[in-house]
Amino acid sequence: NFMLTQPHSVSESPGKTVTISCTRSSGSIASNYVQWYQQRPGSVPTTVIYEDNQRPSGVPDRFSGSIDSSSNSASLTISGLKTEDEADYYCQSYDSSNHWVFGGGTSLTVL
Amino acid sequence: EVQLVESGGGLVKPGGSLRLSCAASGFTFSSYSFNWVRQAPGEGLEWVSSITSATYIYYADSVQGRFTISRDNAKNSLYLQMNSLRAEDTAVYYCARATYITGASADSWGQGTLVTVSS
Repeated sequence: NFMLTQPHSVSESPGKTVTISCTRSSGSIASNYVQWYQQRPGSVPTTVIYEDNQRPSGVPDRFSGSIDSSSNSASLTISGLKTEDEADYYCQSYDSSNHWVFGGGTSLTVL
Repeated sequence: EVQLVESGGGLVKPGGSLRLSCAASGFTFSSYSFNWVRQAPGEGLEWVSSITSATYIYYADSVQGRFTISRDNAKNSLYLQMNSLRAEDTAVYYCARATYITGASADSWGQGTLVTVSS
């Protein structure tokens, strides 16, 4: 099995761009799709990126996803930060046994 | 509109049992895979179990042998039978529908049901 490691927290100012990383401990990041979920305080998670870089309908194009095989990591980039983007963000992938694996989550502060 | 509504959570003593349900509506239930994902208080998301449309079943190591996932397509419902509960099973349990083609991610979540294991 593998783990997904995210920074515990990040902060940035409104209007700026922030990138949250998600590093896979073993096996190639490109082997299995990576998803990103946003969870605002007291709310249910929602998908902001699926299948590495796809945005569900309704998610603004300020959100983008990518993978980097050289660092074996996935990234979520949010541009033009808004205070409403303040939330916890989780990356998620799956292993060869179809077990989902979540990263530990990153708390984004927009200040 | 896709709706997933969990029920069955509550307070249970260590070693006890609980059965969670997830009632689905707004889509063809039988065509989708489903997952249970839990979140302990103040903690991150943890995958618990999944069941495919073909009823292939998978469990996290932490619940293997204690939890049983099942589905009733006639009732558009998903279940999680939880036995031998431990304090570390305390969490909000979410029912999550997996994406139709790949099943690789969740595209809809229920509001969650809280399970508290305490004496």
